Amino acid sequence: DVKVTQSSRYLVKRTGEKVFLECVQDMDHENMFWYRQDPGLGLRLIYFSYDVKMKEKGDIPEGYSVSREKKERFSLILESASTNQTSMYLCATLEAPADTQYFGPGTRLTVL
Amino acid sequence: QKEVEQNSGPLSVPEGAIASLNCTYSDRGSQSFFWYRQYSGKSPELIMSIYSNGDKEDGRFTAQLNKASQYVSLLIRDSQPSDSATYLCAVSGGSNYKLTFGKGTLLTVNP
Repeated sequence: DVKVTQSSRYLVKRTGEKVFLECVQDMDHENMFWYRQDPGLGLRLIYFSYDVKMKEKGDIPEGYSVSREKKERFSLILESASTNQTSMYLCATLEAPADTQYFGPGTRLTVL
Repeated sequence: QKEVEQNSGPLSVPEGAIASLNCTYSDRGSQSFFWYRQYSGKSPELIMSIYSNGDKEDGRFTAQLNKASQYVSLLIRDSQPSDSATYLCAVSGGSNYKLTFGKGTLLTVNP
C-alpha cells in the first residue's frame, strides 16, 4: 500500500508567519504534488516536483514555494502567511505508469 | 485551460438504487481518467481508473469512458448510505502527470 503522510492534521498560524508543511511518501515515487482545496473551488494545484530538486509551478503558485531535497520528502512553504491561505492542503504522490495519484490525509491550515 | 465539469449536486438516491455520476472534459488529448471518493473532512481516495473507451467494472462500481464525446461516468449499483460522499472526476494527459479535477458531485444515499 502507498503511504503518504503529512506533518500536521490541523495547524493554526498568525498572519505574517512562515509556515512549513511537510509530506513524506514511502513508495519511491518520483512525482509529488501539493494542492489546496476550498469549498466551491475544488482542488487546485500549487506546485509539483518530478525529481529531487526539480519543481514546476502549478495553477496557483503565488505566495508559496516548495523544497524537495530528498526523494521521499516534499515541503510546501508559505513565506508570509495570509488569511486567504486558510485552506485544506493536500499532498499527493504519483504511481507511474498508471498516472495514479495517492493523497495524504491533508492539513487544515487556519491563518488568523 | 483544461476543464473538467461535473454537476455539483447534491444527487440524492434511495438505498439500493443506482447512482449515476457524470463528468465532461475539454482536452481531447486526455489519456487517463479517474474517480475519487472524498468523505467530509477527509482526503480523496481513488476508487476507479479507466484508460480506454468502454466500461470497466469493479464490484459495485462501473466506470464508462467515451473519448469521442469527451465523457466519463461512474455508476454505483446497490447504493449504500456509506457511499454518501463527494465524488471527484480527474483527468490527465501529456508527459507531466498533472491531474485536472472537477469540483465534485455530492452524493447522498438515503436509508
